Amino acid sequence: QVQLVQSGAEVKKPGSSVKVSCKASGGTFSSYAISWVRQAPGQGLEWMGRIIPILGIANYAQKFQGRVTITADKSTSTAYMELSSLRSEDTAVYYCARDFRWTQEYWGQGTLVTVSS
Amino acid sequence: QSALTQPASVSGSPGQSITISCTGTSSDVGGYNYVSWYQQHPGKAPKLMIYDVSNRPSGVSNRFSGSKSGNTASLTISGLQAEDEADYYCSSYTSSGYVFGTGTKVTVL
Repeated sequence: QVQLVQSGAEVKKPGSSVKVSCKASGGTFSSYAISWVRQAPGQGLEWMGRIIPILGIANYAQKFQGRVTITADKSTSTAYMELSSLRSEDTAVYYCARDFRWTQEYWGQGTLVTVSS
Repeated sequence: QSALTQPASVSGSPGQSITISCTGTSSDVGGYNYVSWYQQHPGKAPKLMIYDVSNRPSGVSNRFSGSKSGNTASLTISGLQAEDEADYYCSSYTSSGYVFGTGTKVTVL
């Protein structure tokens, strides 16, 4: 059974960076893309980008280009999402999800990132 | 990329059927048969209910069905049950990634 376990909640200052991890188990990590999706309080879902671990290639939503970096470590079956130049509007729950075909099939439990001075 | 348009809320009585629409453009919903639907209960991660417009993952009730016509996709929940009360989001593949819908709150009266 595929399971994605994310790192714990973070509180960050405006202008700083945050790096969230997502450890996969129960499947072949490298063969599936991992997407990152965020959800601001009371708001909808927003796709940020994804990586295909076996290729090491990531692509990002235009909104986050230049501010987000998604990486993957095949040796530990862990994906990472780093968001820089944080502002209050980045306060959200960040989810990782394993892609299947053209959808997000399995989801992590979410990581709350709070940006506050 | 603009969010796909969904009604803010839909309600129905137990046993009834409801339909949620998801309207996009020819660059997303209308251009690909890669529309998904997710159910999200408060404080929980989204759960995949429908993928590739009308396919159900293993374990998802057959009360949930999906369809698409032109730039609009739809999710129908038949035999509405109390546990169906949740937020629902559509999603579509696009040439630059994915775009989600604005979300619909389903209330079981």
